[in-house]
Amino acid sequence: GENVEQHPSTLSVQEGDSAVIKCTYSDSASNYFPWYKQELGKGPQLIIDIRSNVGEKKDQRIAVTLNKTAKHFSLHITETQPEDSAVYFCAASIRGGADGLTFGKGTHLIIQP
Amino acid sequence: DGGITQSPKYLFRKEGQNVTLSCEQNLNHDAMYWYRQDPGQGLRLIYYSQIVNDFQKGDIAEGYSVSREKKESFPLTVTSAQKNPTAFYLCASSPGTNTEAFFGQGTRLTVV
Repeated sequence: GENVEQHPSTLSVQEGDSAVIKCTYSDSASNYFPWYKQELGKGPQLIIDIRSNVGEKKDQRIAVTLNKTAKHFSLHITETQPEDSAVYFCAASIRGGADGLTFGKGTHLIIQP
Repeated sequence: DGGITQSPKYLFRKEGQNVTLSCEQNLNHDAMYWYRQDPGQGLRLIYYSQIVNDFQKGDIAEGYSVSREKKESFPLTVTSAQKNPTAFYLCASSPGTNTEAFFGQGTRLTVV
C-alpha cells in the first residue's frame, strides 16, 4: 500500500519568514495530494490540495508543488503569521481519495514572534 | 449549519467493554470515513463507506466494526478485541473523488 513520509516533524520559524514542509510518497499511482491543518483538540481542515496533472498551485500565502517523477510534494507558506502555528499533515491517495487518504505523521509548525 | 458532528467529545470506558462512537453528517455526502490518531502520529484509516449498506476495511480495521444504514450516519464500534483502543477518533465525509474530505471535531476515547 501507499506510504507517506513527512519532514520535518517540528519546524520553528520567525514571524514573517517562510516555512517549507516536504513529503514523499511511494505509490506512483497516487493522484490526489491534500494538505490539512490541525489545531489542538480539533479535526483537520483542508488548506490546499493538488492533483497529479498539476505541478504547482497557489492560494494567497500558501502554495503546493508536486514532482511526480521524484514522488514528492511540498507545502510553502510565505509571510508566516502567529495563526499559522498548528500541526500540518500531508496525504496521498489513489482514486482521488475515494478509498481514503494515507497521511504523513505531521509537522508541528511554530511561529516565533 | 452543514457539517459533521461527532459525539461525544470525550468518552471513558472500562477495559473489556464495547463502545460506539457517533458520526452524523448533513452535507449529503456519499462517502464517509473513520480515522484513528495517536500522539505524534498521522491519521490511520479504520473503515470507509462509499454508499449506504456497504463498507470496506481500512489499514487498521481489526477490533473495530461499523454500519452504514443511513446516508447521514456512520457509527464506529470499538470492541473489546481492540488491544489498544485509547486514541483520538476522527470521522470524515466526502462528496466524491479528488475533492475535500471534511472532518468532524473528533472523539477522544480513554479506556481504563
